[in-house]
Amino acid sequence: NAGVMQNPRHLVRRRGQEARLRCSPMKGHSHVYWYRQLPEEGLKFMVYLQKENIIDESGMPKERFSAEFPKEGPSILRIQQVVRGDSAAYFCASSPISGEGPYNEQFFGPGTRLTVL
Amino acid sequence: GNSVTQMEGPVTLSEEAFLTINCTYTATGYPSLFWYVQYPGEGLQLLLKATKADDKGSNKGFEATYRKETTSFHLEKGSVQVSDSAVYFCALSDQGYSTLTFGKGTMLLVSP
Repeated sequence: NAGVMQNPRHLVRRRGQEARLRCSPMKGHSHVYWYRQLPEEGLKFMVYLQKENIIDESGMPKERFSAEFPKEGPSILRIQQVVRGDSAAYFCASSPISGEGPYNEQFFGPGTRLTVL
Repeated sequence: GNSVTQMEGPVTLSEEAFLTINCTYTATGYPSLFWYVQYPGEGLQLLLKATKADDKGSNKGFEATYRKETTSFHLEKGSVQVSDSAVYFCALSDQGYSTLTFGKGTMLLVSP
């Protein structure tokens, strides 16, 4: 069973361009989470999605950022008009429909490292 | 709100030394606690977890005990190996809610 896949692994954009980050969850997982890791910082929660639904986007900036998880295909994190402050590592995690106890273990992908020039 | 504070790194040890990485937390509810490990160029892997007070999580020789009275979840290992060199993240999740709150991470460097 392949793990969580993210692509691209590295992405370079110039200020004002758009960045699209993709995440394919583990087979059978219907929950996806996006986290951002700024330099010298821990991971910060951005958004939690299930298939075709955004469950919690409280950690996502109100402007320029959007996320989706369509019925078919990967989850997409989209950043419009990127700025230098968007440079970070973006991690996706997935979890199964149900798990033991109140917590469904999250399995992380290798991350996409975005550099904005 | 929730927060996690862990000791700053890097922590530099010789092989077979004893390891402690401190982690304390603030939470509004009764959280589950986790340690994740990140090897260079890879994503985070769950190392161990504990879901209630006095629980001890353990894996690969690492241990951490959920201490509610001191709101702590310190990571320990009796004898580290070079292959343990990585960044370690302490995290929490509110009961019944899945998103994780992470500390900043502690880099561990083990030399032969």
